[in-house]
Amino acid sequence: EIVMTQSPASLSVSPGERATLSCRASQSVSNKLAWYQQKPGQAPKLLVYGASTRATGIPARFSGSGSGTEFTLTISSLQSEDFAVYYCQQYNHWPPCTFGQGTKLEIK
Amino acid sequence: EVQLLESGGALVQPGGSLSLSCAASGFIFSTYAMSWVRQAPGKGLEWVSTTGSSGASTWYADSVKGRFTLFRDNSRNTLYLQMNTLRAEDSAVYYCAKVYDGHFDNWGQGTLVTVSS
Repeated sequence: EIVMTQSPASLSVSPGERATLSCRASQSVSNKLAWYQQKPGQAPKLLVYGASTRATGIPARFSGSGSGTEFTLTISSLQSEDFAVYYCQQYNHWPPCTFGQGTKLEIK
Repeated sequence: EVQLLESGGALVQPGGSLSLSCAASGFIFSTYAMSWVRQAPGKGLEWVSTTGSSGASTWYADSVKGRFTLFRDNSRNTLYLQMNTLRAEDSAVYYCAKVYDGHFDNWGQGTLVTVSS
């Protein structure tokens, strides 16, 4: 089973600033990596798939990068609605597909 | 617009059974794999099970293998999860999710399962 490790566990950033979230896989997952956003009381929402392709309707301030074992989600200029928990998921080797433990993005 | 509507969550005693449903609309259900993903209170996301578009192939997480059964009725655009021998650690919000190339492009709002005496 591939283990996905996200860092940091939590991140405090001021609105308008840039946030960088990391996700590491225990072995190569090629570019089969997705990012999800989850707000309290809501279902997760797909942001990025294929490591760098934004899902439909996702603003351009969200960008994904990386391949192999190291991945990054960057939010270029944080808006109030971006404060949430973010999860990465690998889908190169499954079953099982595996998620990271999440990064909580908080307002500074 | 894709819609996934879960139902069937409830409070159930340890060792009991429960059946969840997910009614799908807004896409051609029979052409997509479908999954259940769960989230224990205050915890992260855990993949539970996936079935292929026809239902002929199904995969399970080790934590539920032998206890949960996933099946689908393409004539009713509905996905089901039969959960038997439930344990306290199965308590979670269960999300139905549409699968696209291995990732989950649409999610339902979730249904809460609580296993407690």
